[in-house]
Parts: sequence; structure tokens; C-alpha cells
Amino acid sequence: SYDLTQALSVSVAPGQTATITCGGHNIGSKNVHWYQLKPGQAPLLVIYRDTNRPSGIPERFSGSNSGNTATLTVTRVQAGDEADYYCQLWDTDSGVVFGGGTKLTVL
Amino acid sequence: EEQLVESGGGLVQPGGSLRLSCAASGFRVSSSFMAWIRQVPGKGLHWVSIIHKTADTWYADSVKGRFTISRDNSENTLFLQMNSLRPEDTAVYHCALGITMPRVTEYFHHWGQGTLVTVSS
Repeated sequence: SYDLTQALSVSVAPGQTATITCGGHNIGSKNVHWYQLKPGQAPLLVIYRDTNRPSGIPERFSGSNSGNTATLTVTRVQAGDEADYYCQLWDTDSGVVFGGGTKLTVL
Repeated sequence: EEQLVESGGGLVQPGGSLRLSCAASGFRVSSSFMAWIRQVPGKGLHWVSIIHKTADTWYADSVKGRFTISRDNSENTLFLQMNSLRPEDTAVYHCALGITMPRVTEYFHHWGQGTLVTVSS
């Protein structure tokens, strides 16, 4: 099975930049998507196919993917960005795969 | 705008059954790629079952033979029939609407808030 590795938590001060990584073997050859989960709310797609932002997602959210690491970057972090963030991809053998999630804390 | 509203969760004993519903609006379930994805408290997201517009279905190994995904086109609703429930099935179950690019990628652009299923005696 294909495994995705995410750090359990990331903490940043308001206005700073948060970097959330997703590790996987040769992940740069796959399409990676990112979701934001807040308690009691429907999960929200924030980046699809590595670098694309859905309509309504602020430009502060960006993504990249190369080698063995995909990255979600949130610039000028706000209190409202505090949430769990999950990476996801589709693998030929494993199907839909999610990372373990990273909790973003805004200090 | 696409909307998804789940219902049908609750407390059930091990070995019991539940049927989850996902009422859709703003699109047709009959022509969509949809999934059930569960969120286990403290343990992240895991896909459970997928149905393509062709009606082809897929199941995670952990639920194969116990869960059945289906849809009612006239009601525009997605279902998940869950039988032989186990404590490890306890989770919030979300339905999701997605995009599939065969043998390239699959992802989900709209999700419901979810319905809680608790399997306990």
C-alpha cells in the first residue's frame, strides 16, 4: 500500500507563513490534493492537482509537489486558518489515499 | 451550488446495521462520481466506498462484504448500507462529490458535514 506521511502539528504566529508537508515515495509523479477540516464543518478542498486553488480559496493558499514531498503553504496566516489539513492522492494499487493529517495551530 | 446532507447515523450495537443517506442538490447523483469517506476521531480520513457514474463500485478492504453503496436517482440520494458493524467502524461518515480522471487521479470538491456512527454495546 502507498503511505503518506504528515507531521502531527505545525504552529505559527498570525501573519507568518505555515508550511505543511506530505511525504511519499516519488510523490512528485502523482497528483496531490489538500483538504481543510474544521470541527463541525464539511471538509474543504483547498488545493487540487498539486497547485490549483478552487474558486473561493484565498491566494494565500498554495501548493507544490516534487520528489518525495508535496507542500501546502499558507502565507499571512490568520486565526481562521486554524484547522487540520490532509493531503490525498490516488494510487494505482491503493486507490484513494489520505495522509494522517497535520493540525495547524495559530499562536 | 452543489450541496450534500447526510443522515442516518446513530448508536448501534456490534453486529448491527445502519443505513446512511446523503441528499444531494445542485447536481445529479446519477451522473456523478461520489464517495463515502469516514473520519475516525484522532485517526484521520479513510475512504470507505466509491461509486462512478457508470454505477461501478469500489470498497475499502476493511468494509468489503459488509457495506454496500447505492443511489436512488429519482430521490437524488446516495446511500451506504452498513451491516455487521464493528466498534472500529465508529466514525463520522461524510459523503463527497468528486472528480475522476481514470488512472490519473481522483479528488473530492464538495463534502457534507457528516453523520456520526457509534458502534458500541
